[in-house]
Amino acid sequence: DAGITQSPRHKVTETGTPVTLRCHQTENHRYMYWYRQDPGHGLRLIHYSYGVKDTDKGEVSDGYSVSRSKTEDFLLTLESATSSQTSVYFCATCPGSGATQYFGPGTRLLVL
Amino acid sequence: EDQVTQSPEALRLQEGESSSLNCSYTVSGLRGLFWYRQDPGKGPEFLFTLYSAGEEKEKERLKATLTKKESFLHITAPKPEDSATYLCAVQAGGGQNFVFGPGTRLSVLP
Repeated sequence: DAGITQSPRHKVTETGTPVTLRCHQTENHRYMYWYRQDPGHGLRLIHYSYGVKDTDKGEVSDGYSVSRSKTEDFLLTLESATSSQTSVYFCATCPGSGATQYFGPGTRLLVL
Repeated sequence: EDQVTQSPEALRLQEGESSSLNCSYTVSGLRGLFWYRQDPGKGPEFLFTLYSAGEEKEKERLKATLTKKESFLHITAPKPEDSATYLCAVQAGGGQNFVFGPGTRLSVLP
C-alpha cells in the first residue's frame, strides 16, 4: 500500500473560519486527489493534481482550493468553512494513468 | 457523462451463503475498473483492477469479473469478517479522474 497520511484526522471548526487539510505521501506518486464522502453521495472528487503546481477541478470544487508545492504534499483549503462542508475527506494517490488509486485514512471535519 | 451504479444498495447474507454484487457503468472508453472494500471509519482498501471484458481476478473468497457494461464481485462462502461496504470505480479514457459508484453495504451474519 502507498504510504499516505492525512492530518488532522479529526477537526471541529466554526462557520466562516479557514481550514487546511494536509495529505502526505511517501510513494512518489504523480497523481493526488481529494474526495469528500457523504451518506447518499458516495465519493465525490473535489480537486486533483497531476504534478507539482498542476491541479484541476473535480465535480464539487466550489468553496475549496488546493496547492501542491512538493510531490509528496497536497493541501486542501476551505477558505471560509460552511456547515455544508461537514464531511469525511479522503486523499488518494495514483502512480500513473490507468493505475490503481490508493487512499489515505480520512479526515473527519465538522463545521458548526 | 460517465456513470457508475451499484446494486443492491445493501445485502445481508448468512455465513456461507454465496452471492454477487453488481457494478454497472457507462463510460466513454474504459481504461480500468476498480473494486475497493471500505470498513467503517477507514479509507477504501484496494481489491482488484480489471481492464478488459472477459478478465477475472480472484482473492480468497472474492472473484471479480468484467463485461462491456458491468462487473460482478462474487463472494463465495462469506464470513462475518467480509462485512463491509464494497465500492466500484471506473477510469475512462481521456482523463485521469475516477468515478465511483455509491457502494453496496454487505453484512454477513454468523
